[in-house]
Amino acid sequence: KNQVEQSPQSLIILEGKNCTLQCNYTVSPFSNLRWYKQDTGRGPVSLTIMTFSENTKSNGRYTATLDADTKQSSLHITASQLSDSASYICVVSGRGSQGNLIFGKGTKLSVKP
Amino acid sequence: NAGVTQTPKFQVLKTGQSMTLQCAQDMNHEYMSWYRQDPGMGLRLIHYSVGAGITDQGEVPNGYNVSRSTTEDFPLRLLSAAPSQTSVYFCASSYWGGIHNEQFFGPGTRLTVL
Repeated sequence: KNQVEQSPQSLIILEGKNCTLQCNYTVSPFSNLRWYKQDTGRGPVSLTIMTFSENTKSNGRYTATLDADTKQSSLHITASQLSDSASYICVVSGRGSQGNLIFGKGTKLSVKP
Repeated sequence: NAGVTQTPKFQVLKTGQSMTLQCAQDMNHEYMSWYRQDPGMGLRLIHYSVGAGITDQGEVPNGYNVSRSTTEDFPLRLLSAAPSQTSVYFCASSYWGGIHNEQFFGPGTRLTVL
């Protein structure tokens, strides 16, 4: 069964600290993996999109890595800010179309001053 | 560009009532979709469309209808609302084809069915 598992479920860190969120998937065949940020009460916003041939991709203080062999991805946030408080969702596409996106349940990150 | 817009932002219905959730995009995207988001679950695909006149079912289509008469609009209809349809609904759009197409989400509609 195609699944996307994220850990931890929730995380609290102090402002200025770094953190890493994990995503494991069993989706096959694999097309691409996406990370989204969802602020409370808003729709998800894309952070990164990676295909199987891309090991890392950055977007400002966000860096995503992908190991297609072990089917694992991580999202590293550097020098966290209060505005980073949000849910981070890992999404895997099982083929080259958006009709088969498998969403993880998300990691809820709280950044405290 | 306004991006993806959704109306209404909030809605309360009684069981058995019908309503239409509106979704529009001004980016000339071929692909549009509807998701629902429930606590403790990932977003689940309800219906999607790859162009005007073409729609298809997603993972959880029961109780919902869609149509796509124009590129810009993709309304979601609840024919007879049930409490199980209480959820937050998101509309999304993107270009079709390719593997780097970014999906743009609307702000969501929070629906409560009593």
